[in-house]
Amino acid sequence: DAGVIQSPRHEVTEMGQEVTLRCKPISGHNSLFWYRQTMMRGLELLIYFNNNVPIDDSGMPEDRFSAKMPNASFSTLKIQPSEPRDSAVYFCASSYLNTGELFFGEGSRLTVL
Amino acid sequence: RKEVEQDPGPFNVPEGATVAFNCTYSNSASQSFFWYRQDCRKEPKLLMSVYSSGNEDGRFTAQLNRASQYISLLIRDSKLSDSATYLCVVNGGDDMRFGAGTRLTVKP
Repeated sequence: DAGVIQSPRHEVTEMGQEVTLRCKPISGHNSLFWYRQTMMRGLELLIYFNNNVPIDDSGMPEDRFSAKMPNASFSTLKIQPSEPRDSAVYFCASSYLNTGELFFGEGSRLTVL
Repeated sequence: RKEVEQDPGPFNVPEGATVAFNCTYSNSASQSFFWYRQDCRKEPKLLMSVYSSGNEDGRFTAQLNRASQYISLLIRDSKLSDSATYLCVVNGGDDMRFGAGTRLTVKP
């Protein structure tokens, strides 16, 4: 079975550019989470969706970040404009509501120069 | 104050040692608890759930103390392959909050 699929795996971009990260959750999962991981701050929850509806986006750093989930099989996290401090690994994870186990994608490693 | 706090370590232990990690959480309404393991440059993966009565899986024992709002993970007879970062996770309803992780290195 396919797990959570993220793309791109790696992206290097210049400050000011738009970055779009993509995620395909496991089929049948109701919840989708976006996390950001850095050495300094660990794994931070940015936003999560239940049944494609954003539930809590309080972790989104600022207005430069936005996330969408147009359907049950696809989500995007967009950063516009990007800044060097956005450099991190961005993980997408999905779960079936209330089971608790999160399944993570392999992450998207973003470097903003 | 962070919602989930862990001792970041690192813990450096010899093979065969017993090592324990603790994690505290701030939301008293939290409903479920987990330990995840993350290998270097990999994604986190579920290690075990933490039940109110405590639970064991081989060399791993997890415990929950609701009154003091902490969970623990005990690893007995540690192996080289146990070297990783261990993340505690607290479910406060629908969201899943991670601790910063405790790094463990098991040495020969």
